[in-house]
Amino acid sequence: QQKVQQSPESLIVPEGGMASLNCTSSDRNVDYFWWYRQHSGKSPKMLMSIFSNGEKEEGRFTVHLNKASLHTSLHIRDSQPSDSALYLCAASRTEGADRLTFGKGTQLIIQP
Amino acid sequence: NSKVIQTPRYLVKGQGQKAKMRCIPEKGHPVVFWYQQNKNNEFKFLINFQNQEVLQQIDMTEKRFSAECPSNSPCSLEIQSSEAGDSALYLCASSLHRGGTGQLYFGEGSKLTVL
Repeated sequence: QQKVQQSPESLIVPEGGMASLNCTSSDRNVDYFWWYRQHSGKSPKMLMSIFSNGEKEEGRFTVHLNKASLHTSLHIRDSQPSDSALYLCAASRTEGADRLTFGKGTQLIIQP
Repeated sequence: NSKVIQTPRYLVKGQGQKAKMRCIPEKGHPVVFWYQQNKNNEFKFLINFQNQEVLQQIDMTEKRFSAECPSNSPCSLEIQSSEAGDSALYLCASSLHRGGTGQLYFGEGSKLTVL
């Protein structure tokens, strides 16, 4: 049973549009969320992390976290073709287990 | 460019053969992780180390998989007897911190195909 669920599985967004990706953990012990991006044939690279309720913005990327519902979302504004990639959400605990648990990802395609 | 170096990038093995992959973590990173990413993009945690010590490992790792991170040598992951279901991308990652707060830096991966 996947403990980190991501939706949608795939998403097509026109260039310049807004992409919204969702992620929920079923493990109530997690308190740290991560978003990684993996271009085809490349290694995953960390985009953003969040552990406090609320919103965090870095450039065109905004991440939200609702700790009560263990839900995080990633929003990409002014999407570019180079944003086309697999977006992976991961959750972890600050205490105890050391591993990150990853979701299956959202495949984002930005159409020029 | 990834600073975590994994070799080989590709390996092809027959069923029952050994498969060995190596990983040089980013300089100064004491924590190393191995993950398996299958064709459906599912990530499975295999094992992690802090320096030479195993922190956590799953049952699969304990049975057919072996791994080590010797001092002053690359870390390695070896499958003793490969099975078709082991075909996947094996990703090594390193981190400055143990615990769930450390960013993972991934290598490019070793893609294993078991015929």
